[in-house]
Amino acid sequence: EIVLTQSPGTLSLSAGERATLSCRASESVSSSFLAWYQQKPGQAPRLLVYGASSRAPAIPDRFSGSGSGTDFTLTISRLEPEDFAVYYCQQYVSSPYTFGQGTKLEIK
Amino acid sequence: QVQLVQSGAEVRKPGASVKVSCKASDYTFSSYGISWVRQAPGQGLEWMGWISPYNGNTKYAQKLQGRVTMTTDTSTSTAYMELRSLRSDDTAVYFCARTSFLGYYFEYWGQGTLVSVSS
Repeated sequence: EIVLTQSPGTLSLSAGERATLSCRASESVSSSFLAWYQQKPGQAPRLLVYGASSRAPAIPDRFSGSGSGTDFTLTISRLEPEDFAVYYCQQYVSSPYTFGQGTKLEIK
Repeated sequence: QVQLVQSGAEVRKPGASVKVSCKASDYTFSSYGISWVRQAPGQGLEWMGWISPYNGNTKYAQKLQGRVTMTTDTSTSTAYMELRSLRSDDTAVYFCARTSFLGYYFEYWGQGTLVSVSS
């Protein structure tokens, strides 16, 4: 099973700042089969990025994904108030399709 | 727009079973797989399995093999997830999600169904 480790666990930033979230895999995620999701309290997750760097439909361009192999990054260029949430990465290269433990992005 | 609407919250005793439904609308149901993902209180996300409405093929997480069954009814565009021999650590919100045909990532999600297991 591929283990995904996200860092940091909590990120405290202000609106307007840049956020960089990391996701490291225990083995190579080939073909960049990695996705990112945003989850707000009491809501279902929302797909942000798939294929490591492709934005899902209707996702603002301040969200961008990058990386390959075992190291992946989600960057939010300028934080808006609605961006404060928990973010998860997920690999879909091999079953079971595992998620990272999440990074909580909170208002500083 | 694509919608997945799940059944309501359930309370069960240990050892019992639960069946959660997920009704899809505004897309061709048989063209996309449905996955189930659960989230224990205050915890992360756990993929449980996937089913193809087109041919009924399934793929389950090994830790749930033998306890979980996923089915679909194409006449009503509804997916079902049944979990048996419930334990307290099965207490979670259960989500269904439309799965991309490009890979096992989850494009649209249901609102979630809370299943509580307690004696």
